[in-house]
Amino acid sequence: GAGVSQSPRYKVAKRGQDVALRCDPISGHVSLFWYQQALGQGPEFLTYFQNEAQLDKSGLPSDRFFAERPEGSVSTLKIQRTQQEDSAVYLCASSLRTVSSYEQYFGPGTRLTVT
Amino acid sequence: DAKTTQPNSMESNEEEPVHLPCNHSTISGTDYIHWYRQLPSQGPEYVIHGLTSNVNNRMASLAIAEDRKSSTLILHRATLRDAAVYYCILRAAYSGAGSYQLTFGKGTKLSVIP
Repeated sequence: GAGVSQSPRYKVAKRGQDVALRCDPISGHVSLFWYQQALGQGPEFLTYFQNEAQLDKSGLPSDRFFAERPEGSVSTLKIQRTQQEDSAVYLCASSLRTVSSYEQYFGPGTRLTVT
Repeated sequence: DAKTTQPNSMESNEEEPVHLPCNHSTISGTDYIHWYRQLPSQGPEYVIHGLTSNVNNRMASLAIAEDRKSSTLILHRATLRDAAVYYCILRAAYSGAGSYQLTFGKGTKLSVIP
């Protein structure tokens, strides 16, 4: 079946521009996560949704980062006034249930380069 | 969250078994042990998880020490497609914050030699 998809796969933004990254989770998955992965590092948690509710945004690095999932399916991660340190791969993952025993399914990521 | 310790890198010959170790001496009684791997230019992929007993699936086996302070991911016959970064992750069964994110370390980079 279809997995998690993300778009665009690559994004180049000039410093100061706003960007929007889209995630289409697996249909029916309740949980949705966003992670940021810098070069050579493991992914780091940004934010978590249970259906349309954003239950944890403790990993968002600044108030320039904003995420939404208005209908409990597709999610958008928005970064305002991009900075060079925002350059990274942004990964989206979804999970069928909200308990720890369920695995997360990851998309291929969006590679953001801020110039 | 309890931490895990893994070697930075390992090498294996193709078609030989690979044992990837993970230490987690501060694991709590309700922490699950999860393994994910990340192939080059892809998102992480679930491999296996367990709580107390050893686990097997089509991808790998997970051997958990009796005291649960360490575990080993076993790939029975390494192929070139198994070359990836392998992450050992502890996940609390219950999170007061209502979040069940994965906390990744740096993982073990596995190289498979033809």
